[in-house]
Amino acid sequence: EAGVAQSPRYKIIEKRQSVAFWCNPISGHATLYWYQQILGQGPKLLIQFQNNGVVDDSQLPKDRFSAERLKGVDSTLKIQPAKLEDSAVYLCASSLAGLSVSEQFFGPGTRLTVL
Amino acid sequence: RKEVEQDPGPFNVPEGATVAFNCTYSNSASQSFFWYRQDCRKEPKLLMSVYSSGNEDGRFTAQLNRASQYISLLIRDSKLSDSATYLCVVNMGHTGTASKLTFGTGTRLQVTL
Repeated sequence: EAGVAQSPRYKIIEKRQSVAFWCNPISGHATLYWYQQILGQGPKLLIQFQNNGVVDDSQLPKDRFSAERLKGVDSTLKIQPAKLEDSAVYLCASSLAGLSVSEQFFGPGTRLTVL
Repeated sequence: RKEVEQDPGPFNVPEGATVAFNCTYSNSASQSFFWYRQDCRKEPKLLMSVYSSGNEDGRFTAQLNRASQYISLLIRDSKLSDSATYLCVVNMGHTGTASKLTFGTGTRLQVTL
């Protein structure tokens, strides 16, 4: 069974530039999550989608970050403009349902370096 | 106070040793609890859920103490392949509603020969 796909795997940009990440969840998974993992820390939830609707974006820095999940499948996360502190691994995860007992499956992540 | 707190380690143990990790959480209304494993430069993967009665999966035992808001993971007979970061994860969402996982910083384990 195919897992969660993400691209690109690595990205290096300069501050104030824009960047976009793409995620394709496991087929049939209604819930999709974007996490930010800074080195030495655990993943932090940025946004959660249920199908194509946003369930939780309370920790998304909306002045520079945006995300969409058109058609309830693939998702993109954008940063515009990037700051040095955005250097992190951006993980996408999906689950069958967003309920408390559903296991989340993570993609390999996109490692972003902002210079 | 952090929502989920763990000792970051590293814990350096010899092969065959028993090692225990602890985790505390701040939200007494939390409903479900997990341990995830994360290998270096890889994504997190579910190791096991943590049930109120405690549960065991081979060499791994997880315990939950709701009164003290404390979760533990015990690894017996450590293997080299157990070397990884162990993330304590608490679902801050309510039962039957959207899951809202909060991750600890992780505890790094290094098993040596």
